[in-house]
Amino acid sequence: GEDVEQSLFLSVREGDSSVINCTYTDSSSTYLYWYKQEPGAGLQLLTYIFSNMDMKQDQRLTVLLNKKDKHLSLRIADTQTGDSAIYFCAERRTGANNLFFGTGTRLTVIP
Amino acid sequence: EAQVTQNPRYLITVTGKKLTVTCSQNMNHEYMSWYRQDPGLGLRQIYYSMNVEVTDKGDVPEGYKVSRKEKRNFPLILESPSPNQTSLYFCASSPQTGTYGYTFGSGTRLTVV
Repeated sequence: GEDVEQSLFLSVREGDSSVINCTYTDSSSTYLYWYKQEPGAGLQLLTYIFSNMDMKQDQRLTVLLNKKDKHLSLRIADTQTGDSAIYFCAERRTGANNLFFGTGTRLTVIP
Repeated sequence: EAQVTQNPRYLITVTGKKLTVTCSQNMNHEYMSWYRQDPGLGLRQIYYSMNVEVTDKGDVPEGYKVSRKEKRNFPLILESPSPNQTSLYFCASSPQTGTYGYTFGSGTRLTVV
């Protein structure tokens, strides 16, 4: 399909790891991004991965990319209550300047 | 501080009354874009602009207009708002090339009654 797909909700306990999944559409997408939206705020770029990479780690964040399955995931280690937010994945398709966003996953961290 | 500034943050208006949502960026970005965010639908692109005087339709352009007379500004115009345009609107900008994602504004929550 044409849509970037994400699960709508995820709940985890504080201190556990969170894994947010995304299926994108274009196997030749050049860059894939993760954004975080806190309540009442705009989207903040968390991290991105270039399509020739399988993994990228940035402190508590690990991004995994499976190009064959067009699957992107974001792992948050030691999840904190401040991580509660909506997380969007986005892809930059070949030849396009535009970003195509998923529906967003609302992460709730339970104390 | 590098930022994208949208105004107003909140707006309630009546059907048919023309309105403009302003967007300004101070990063000298070539690319600017408008999105609307609706529950369960994620972000959908309305219009985008690659540079001054260059604009193009996104996925949901009906009922909206834009202009790009200066590099820093990209206003969104609703000539005759309708209730189905009630939504949360975001402006974003980015450099033309490179790895950068977008920088987003804080959003404008529009209600059309």
